[in-house]
Amino acid sequence: DVKVTQSSRYLVKRTGEKVFLECVQDMDHENMFWYRQDPGLGLRLIYFSYDVKMKEKGDIPEGYSVSREKKERFSLILESASTNQTSMYLCASFRGASGAYEQYFGPGTRLTVT
Amino acid sequence: DAKTTQPNSMESNEEEPVHLPCNHSTISGTDYIHWYRQLPSQGPEYVIHGLTSNVNNRMASLAIAEDRKSSTLILHRATLRDAAVYYCILRGHNAGNMLTFGGGTRLMVKP
Repeated sequence: DVKVTQSSRYLVKRTGEKVFLECVQDMDHENMFWYRQDPGLGLRLIYFSYDVKMKEKGDIPEGYSVSREKKERFSLILESASTNQTSMYLCASFRGASGAYEQYFGPGTRLTVT
Repeated sequence: DAKTTQPNSMESNEEEPVHLPCNHSTISGTDYIHWYRQLPSQGPEYVIHGLTSNVNNRMASLAIAEDRKSSTLILHRATLRDAAVYYCILRGHNAGNMLTFGGGTRLMVKP
């Protein structure tokens, strides 16, 4: 079975803390993504990476950065956590941008910033 | 991605087949029909996708109308674990990276 794993299911952090969310996939996919999901807002793309050390901003990159040093691992960094970053964070990967390919998601990290 | 229309909710009894419809009248010739589902407090899960022919996998079957303006996701025997929101999405040949989920169908399964 294909697998996308995320480092934590639940995380509670304080305002101003630096937060690291890790994602690992075992499918040798080039493309990896970070989304956040909030009630009524659907999935919003934060960053994506189409190769090692490559990254592109999504729709809402402010307050976030990413790192992709190895093909299988894509990290999301909240430089200084704020309460409006309380959300469900979802990592996904897929082989290519064509509609022929499916995306695989991790289980999600529910982050609460207090 | 072209627009899809799904019922807001459906109910099924456990152990019975479930047919989840999706209308996509503006589908283009290169659009793939994808289905994902999301269980409560979980990440979305890929279910199945197809282009023109009906597709089967271990999770479900996808029946695509001959004119491709509609499709049906078929769960052959619903279980309580199938209770989720099911999303029908069209993705073209040059779909780009992002997935856009619409409202989806909330499937409730009664024991």
